[in-house]
Amino acid sequence: AQTVTQSQPEMSVQEAETVTLSCTYDTSESDYYLFWYKQPPSRQMILVIRQEAYKQQNATENRFSVNFQKAAKSFSLKISDSQLGDAAMYFCAYRHMDSNYQLIWGAGTKLIIKP
Amino acid sequence: DTGVSQDPRHKITKRGQNVTFRCDPISEHNRLYWYRQTLGQGPEFLTYFQNEAQLEKSRLLSDRFSAERPKGSFSTLEIQRTEQGDSAMYLCASSLRQMGSSGYTFGSGTRLTVV
Repeated sequence: AQTVTQSQPEMSVQEAETVTLSCTYDTSESDYYLFWYKQPPSRQMILVIRQEAYKQQNATENRFSVNFQKAAKSFSLKISDSQLGDAAMYFCAYRHMDSNYQLIWGAGTKLIIKP
Repeated sequence: DTGVSQDPRHKITKRGQNVTFRCDPISEHNRLYWYRQTLGQGPEFLTYFQNEAQLEKSRLLSDRFSAERPKGSFSTLEIQRTEQGDSAMYLCASSLRQMGSSGYTFGSGTRLTVV
């Protein structure tokens, strides 16, 4: 069975600095998708960035980028120029390419931004 | 379209009572998902619909839980004879059938507290 592990329950970063959130996963599949979601306090889950496993190039969305290491089954999220609005729970999630319904989630990392 | 709507946002109920939650997905999305999220954890899959058909149910969905999606539009999730262990955030999400690498669009959730 697939699993997703986020080993950092909480991270803090100074505003304007860079922070990296870790995620590892376990799967025997070769084709899948990986996602990072952001969940601000009392607000909805929002997709931050996604990566297709067949793509070697790391995904980038403005200040957010990933370091996808397929062989190591690692999928870390880098947030550059951290802003107060980035404070939230961040969840890493996995979905097999043939599965259209179920995401497998990590336990989340709480990101604190220090002004 | 303003996204996925969930009602109510918060529900406090006494143990043993029945509760019903509603989810209105994005109108053109034919897939609808229910997840449960407890404090400090990632979401856990409960069930999903394609149009009005319920295609998959998790083992987490005991016989006290029932979900419907009449006419393939909004969905309801009912919990009968609530227990304290049912206290959680209930998340609804929707997507197009051919989701590809895109993620879901989530609602803001319904937080259930059973006292």
